[in-house]
Amino acid sequence: DAKTTQPNSMESNEEEPVHLPCNHSTISGTDYIHWYRQLPSQGPEYVIHGLTSNVNNRMASLAIAEDRKSSTLILHRATLRDAAVYYCILRDNAGNMLTFGGGTRLMVKP
Amino acid sequence: GAVVSQHPSWVICKSGTSVKIECRSLDFQATTMFWYRQFPKQSLMLMATSNEGSKATYEQGVEKDKFLINHASLTLSTLTVTSAHPEDSSFYICSARQNTQYFGPGTRLTVL
Repeated sequence: DAKTTQPNSMESNEEEPVHLPCNHSTISGTDYIHWYRQLPSQGPEYVIHGLTSNVNNRMASLAIAEDRKSSTLILHRATLRDAAVYYCILRDNAGNMLTFGGGTRLMVKP
Repeated sequence: GAVVSQHPSWVICKSGTSVKIECRSLDFQATTMFWYRQFPKQSLMLMATSNEGSKATYEQGVEKDKFLINHASLTLSTLTVTSAHPEDSSFYICSARQNTQYFGPGTRLTVL
């Protein structure tokens, strides 16, 4: 799996939008961009994924750069429950496993 | 989304004993499941890929005789940590794929 680069940590205020960046300059044409988050002492939770177009779901939005070398996970209104480690992962369409990088620890201030 | 469960959620055992952890896909069948290990303040590391009806595929550096994996049905995979030692204390997480990959809640193993 290609490598991703994320900031180690970010801070946000409650009720404000959060933009979590991810660089994946070695992405190949068939790699999907996945985002998971992990709360303390829990397994990772699926957030969103996409290939080329921007994606929206009830949890978040995913904005993918035109060259696909970077993407941004957008939480529209951060809550205290969104404090977690967010992982950006690339997975080939034929692959079965996800390789986790270091992730971004998001801290939400009340 | 799909649900993956693990049992037990935590276990404490004495050094030298064996511990079995179960991973179940509750509402879907999974021919492939994955086992990860996570040490404090670190990311998840893939240990092995478990295939229903065949032998597991282990990542480099993971001892297959120490971490026994059995995937006997399409909804159950088990990981047995044999002759556990304190350095095996970790958070063990399984996952199963249904279109995307879903993770269990994890099992915290503490070896005294």
